[in-house]
Amino acid sequence: AQSVAQPEDQVNVAEGNPLTVKCTYSVSGNPYLFWYVQYPNRGLQFLLKYITGDNLVKGSYGFEAEFNKSQTSFHLKKPSALVSDSALYFCAVSLRSTGFQKLVFGTGTRLLVSP
Amino acid sequence: NAGVTQTPKFRVLKTGQSMTLLCAQDMNHEYMYWYRQDPGMGLRLIHYSVGEGTTAKGEVPDGYNVSRLKKQNFLLGLESAAPSQTSVYFCASGGSLSYEQYFGPGTRLTVT
Repeated sequence: AQSVAQPEDQVNVAEGNPLTVKCTYSVSGNPYLFWYVQYPNRGLQFLLKYITGDNLVKGSYGFEAEFNKSQTSFHLKKPSALVSDSALYFCAVSLRSTGFQKLVFGTGTRLLVSP
Repeated sequence: NAGVTQTPKFRVLKTGQSMTLLCAQDMNHEYMYWYRQDPGMGLRLIHYSVGEGTTAKGEVPDGYNVSRLKKQNFLLGLESAAPSQTSVYFCASGGSLSYEQYFGPGTRLTVT
């Protein structure tokens, strides 16, 4: 069965500093990997995805993520955090073998960027 | 372009009551999903649909039923609500040529 682990419930970072939100996955085949962000009282918004190709994926709002197959990780990064990046971030995985995106989500990591 | 909409936004039910949550999308997506979000548990898939007239069970289907009579609508029903169904419910849709899912704003349901 596929699963996703987000080991940190909360990440604190000062504005202007780089941020990393960690994600590791477990699947039996080749994964599709995703990051979504949720602002308070809102639905999830798509940030970026890894499907195939370059291991470094760039997404919305200056975020990027690096697919590392040997470490089964897909960490979310941003070079310079903004206070407005404060939100709940979800990593998700689906199997390439499925014909559509049946996603399994991690438990989420709350990012708090202080001024 | 409204994207994915959900009605109602909030609802309080008594144990044993029934209700239907409506999800509508205007992006002509084939796939639609219902999730529930609980603190510390992320999102869990309840039911999904790969096309009009088809539905399938997800990870936590017990106590819920769904129907997709029209491509743009996906209904989630609770026949006899239980306190364990207190949660935030999200609908999502996705197309066959893209990989991301588009989420609605959510319905906050409280069962007392």
